Amino acid sequence: EAAVTQSPRNKVAVTGGKVTLSCNQTNNHNNMYWYRQDTGHGLRLIHYSYGAGSTEKGDIPDGYKASRPSQENFSLILELATPSQTSVYFCASGAGTSAETLYFGSGTRLTVL
Amino acid sequence: GDSVTQTEGPVTVSESESLIINCTYSATSIAYPNLFWYVRYPGEGLQLLLKVITAGQKGSSRGFEATYNKETTSFHLQKASVQESDSAVYYCALGESSGYNKLTFGKGTVLLVSP
Repeated sequence: EAAVTQSPRNKVAVTGGKVTLSCNQTNNHNNMYWYRQDTGHGLRLIHYSYGAGSTEKGDIPDGYKASRPSQENFSLILELATPSQTSVYFCASGAGTSAETLYFGSGTRLTVL
Repeated sequence: GDSVTQTEGPVTVSESESLIINCTYSATSIAYPNLFWYVRYPGEGLQLLLKVITAGQKGSSRGFEATYNKETTSFHLQKASVQESDSAVYYCALGESSGYNKLTFGKGTVLLVSP
């Protein structure tokens, strides 16, 4: 069974602070993605990666950085968190094939005060 | 850009009733998009329900089905008889026909099935 694990499950941060959201996958998938979901919006793509050492900007990358130090791990970094980044964040992995199935983590609920 | 519009929820149905959740898409940058339905059960991450990559084809899973209609740009999700365990959030999405599945999602439809 494909497995994607996100940590932490919940996070409260202060404005201007640094936040790191972590994602680990045991699927040996090449592709990994970070999405956020807000009320009234579908999931929106922040960053993605097609392998260790690579990161690419998605549709809404401003205010976020990403890091893919290994095949298994993909982090999302908020250097200076703002209240507008309060959201639920989802990590996903995919095999890199056409019409690949994405396997999602359970999400991280981030609140920036 | 690309977009997906789906039934605004919550949708409330009684167990054993039929269900349809509408999904229409606009794929301005993708000539032949792949279409997906994902589902999120309470406390879990999204998981694939079904996908169709060829126009005119139907996908099915767990009693749900959806047909890729290129003429009407629609991909409606249907089930003949829902169960309480189907209560979840359903997301319609479209993606490119390439190795990077940068999906464009709809807002999600909350389905509540009452016993």
